[in-house]
Amino acid sequence: AQSVTQPDIHITVSEGASLELRCNYSYGATPYLFWYVQSPGQGLQLLLKYFSGDTLVQGIKGFEAEFKRSQSSFNLRKPSVHWSDAAEYFCAVGGGGGGNKLTFGTGTQLKVEL
Amino acid sequence: DVKVTQSSRYLVKRTGEKVFLECVQDMDHENMFWYRQDPGLGLRLIYFSYDVKMKEKGDIPEGYSVSREKKERFSLILESASTNQTSMYLCASSLPLQVLYGYTFGSGTRLTVV
Repeated sequence: AQSVTQPDIHITVSEGASLELRCNYSYGATPYLFWYVQSPGQGLQLLLKYFSGDTLVQGIKGFEAEFKRSQSSFNLRKPSVHWSDAAEYFCAVGGGGGGNKLTFGTGTQLKVEL
Repeated sequence: DVKVTQSSRYLVKRTGEKVFLECVQDMDHENMFWYRQDPGLGLRLIYFSYDVKMKEKGDIPEGYSVSREKKERFSLILESASTNQTSMYLCASSLPLQVLYGYTFGSGTRLTVV
């Protein structure tokens, strides 16, 4: 069965500092990996996705993520965080074995200090 | 712009009531999903549907049922609401095999059962 672990429940960074949110997955074949962001009171918005090709993927709002098969990881990064990035971030995995279903991690709440 | 609309943002119901949560999408998507979101637990799949009148159980279907009479509408039904069903409910949709591209989410319905 596919699964996702986000080991950090809360992270606090200062505005302008760099950010890395961790995501580890378990999947039997090549996974399809996603990062979503949820602003307070809102649904989830897709930040970026990976399913093949270049292991470094670029997304919206200046985010990027790197797929590392050897570490079963798909960490999200941003070089300089803005106060508006404060939100909850979810990593998700899907693929052929799971059909059309995505399995989500438990989320990481990001707080940005001004 | 594509849209998934959930009929209520906030809902308060009494224990034992039958509750209907409605979701409508305007993208002609075949796949629709219902998740519940709880702090520390992330998103958990309740039910999903690949086509009209088709449904499959997700990871936590107990206490819920669904209805998909039209392609654009997917309803979640709480047969007899209980306090442990107080949660945020998120609807999502996608094209077939579009797990590659992620889901489009609604803004959520926050349900409180008293």
